[in-house]
Amino acid sequence: DQQVKQNSPSLSVQEGRISILNCDYTNSMFDYFLWYKKYPAEGPTFLISISSIKDKNEDGRFTVFLNKSAKHLSLHIVPSQPGDSAVYFCAARSPAGYSTLTFGKGTMLLVSP
Amino acid sequence: DVKVTQSSRYLVKRTGEKVFLECVQDMDHENMFWYRQDPGLGLRLIYFSYDVKMKEKGDIPEGYSVSREKKERFSLILESASTNQTSMYLCASSFSLAGGQETQYFGPGTRLLVL
Repeated sequence: DQQVKQNSPSLSVQEGRISILNCDYTNSMFDYFLWYKKYPAEGPTFLISISSIKDKNEDGRFTVFLNKSAKHLSLHIVPSQPGDSAVYFCAARSPAGYSTLTFGKGTMLLVSP
Repeated sequence: DVKVTQSSRYLVKRTGEKVFLECVQDMDHENMFWYRQDPGLGLRLIYFSYDVKMKEKGDIPEGYSVSREKKERFSLILESASTNQTSMYLCASSFSLAGGQETQYFGPGTRLLVL
């Protein structure tokens, strides 16, 4: 049973436009959410996070929105750049037990010039 | 800067071999993790450790074991490698923070091919 879902395997966007990556979750106990970016043959790098007590967190071109009632979060990248082309993973943490993260399957973003 | 290093970037092994993957972090993190990443399946947690000599099973521990003799080092062991263990293996580490809102930092990964 997938608790963190990224329903779009891929997304194509033109340079300069907005990229919106979506993530849905089913476990209402999740209290912390993260986005990671991964280039081929490299490890994931942390991008941005949000606590469940907030609905928005912004860092430069990256903004994460959290809608707790819909159990949905999204990552907005504005403006998109070709260097943003990568796989983006959504992850969520439950406060129960140990500090493990549950990851989605990822969305491959392609930003074309 | 947090640094997580993995002993090999690429490995080729034969079926039945014992395989050791090493991970070292230099930030005095309490928690360390091993994941595998496969196309269409995302990152799946194999094992993790929250202290020296402590280990916990993740979602897919079968066919693997781990060792954490020192705080900075976490080893993943494939006791008898099989072709279905061909994958990208990723190590991560994190602090234990009050409230649990810590970030995991990943190594570059080891791409393992089992023939």
